[in-house]
Formats: sequence, C-alpha cells, structure tokens
Amino acid sequence: GAVVSQHPSWVICKSGTSVKIECRSLDFQATTMFWYRQFPKQSLMLMATSNEGSKATYEQGVEKDKFLINHASLTLSTLTVTSAHPEDSSFYICSASRGLAGDEQYFGPGTRLTVT
Amino acid sequence: QKEVEQNSGPLSVPEGAIASLNCTYSDRGSQSFFWYRQYSGKSPELIMFIYSNGDKEDGRFTAQLNKASQYVSLLIRDSQPSDSATYLCAVNPTGNQFYFGTGTSLTVIP
Repeated sequence: GAVVSQHPSWVICKSGTSVKIECRSLDFQATTMFWYRQFPKQSLMLMATSNEGSKATYEQGVEKDKFLINHASLTLSTLTVTSAHPEDSSFYICSASRGLAGDEQYFGPGTRLTVT
Repeated sequence: QKEVEQNSGPLSVPEGAIASLNCTYSDRGSQSFFWYRQYSGKSPELIMFIYSNGDKEDGRFTAQLNKASQYVSLLIRDSQPSDSATYLCAVNPTGNQFYFGTGTSLTVIP
C-alpha cells in the first residue's frame, strides 16, 4: 500500500514553454501533498504544500505564479512549471500524506525536467 | 538554528559492520520521526518511523529516539553495499509540517 505515482518520469522542453507534472496517490486518499525540488547532490527543498480543495502554501522564495499547483482531488495534484527556463531544470518530487497527525509522507518516483 | 540537523558525512563503514546515523531536532514538542533512504537519482523511500522514546527494530534497522535529548538515530546492522545511499531524517512537529535534514551519505565498503 501507500503508492504514489508521478508522470512523466522525465521531460525535456524548450525554454519559454510550460510543463505539467502529475502526482497521484494510487491506493489511499491524500489529504495533503507536497512538492519538492532537488538539484544534483543537494538536499530536498520543499516548494509548496497543498491540501485538497485549497490553495497551495508556498515556501519563501518560491514563485507561486511560476509554479502552479492544483490539488483538485484526494488522489491527484499537479505542478505546472510556466515559462520554463534552463535554471528550472531539476528533479521534481511529490509526496503525499493522509493528513493524519504524525502520518508519514510517501514519495513519488520523481520527474526529471530538462529545459533547453 | 535548523529544525533538523544531520552530519552530511560521508560515512564509510566496512561490509558487515554497524552503521550509526544521527539526527537532532529543535522543536521539543515534536511527536513523529522518520528515516528515509534515498539512492542517487531516485526519490526518498520510507524505511522507519518512531513515535515513542526507546528503540524500534525492523530487520537490520533500529531507530532510537530520545525526546529529552531531542535526538533520533538509525542503526543499520550487518551493513551491505546495497545500503549505500543518503539517509534523511524527518520530523513532524505538528499537523502537516515536516522538516527534513540535509541527509547523511553512507558508503558501505565491500
């Protein structure tokens, strides 16, 4: 149990275009989903936390108009990178939690984005 | 002061030895603690969670929690080369807040 999927697993796009990444909890209802970014050999960086049906809460320094997060259902959250630039190239990882106190996060396999 | 602190390593142990990974946290009211393993190029996977003071064992892994000292550790017995990875400590102080450490890189030498 507790499986989280992400799609696509990797994507290459041209500078200036937008890319959408989907995160799905396959066998549980994810009240809360988290989006992280990780650059090579660096630690996880939390970008935003989203609760189903609510606006996402973005971490300081993360542009909410550039990284659009939608958590429309208890099993699906999407991250759209708008007007992507090469510096947005990174490993994007989502995680999901049932939202219960003390509940663990389950991570998706990640999406590797390369912007050319 | 960071919420969760770990030694970045790298930590090297010979195959078959015990690897000891340590983590301290700043929020004294934290209740839930997690250890994740992350292989290079992959996403983190949960390997242990602990809520109560003391030890919790799962196979070759033992998590130890000392809330008075605000300290949580992970012991890996009979370390294998396949255990070579970065280990992330995470703390859930309340609600949906999670704080991750920067991770400790472990290398098990055959």
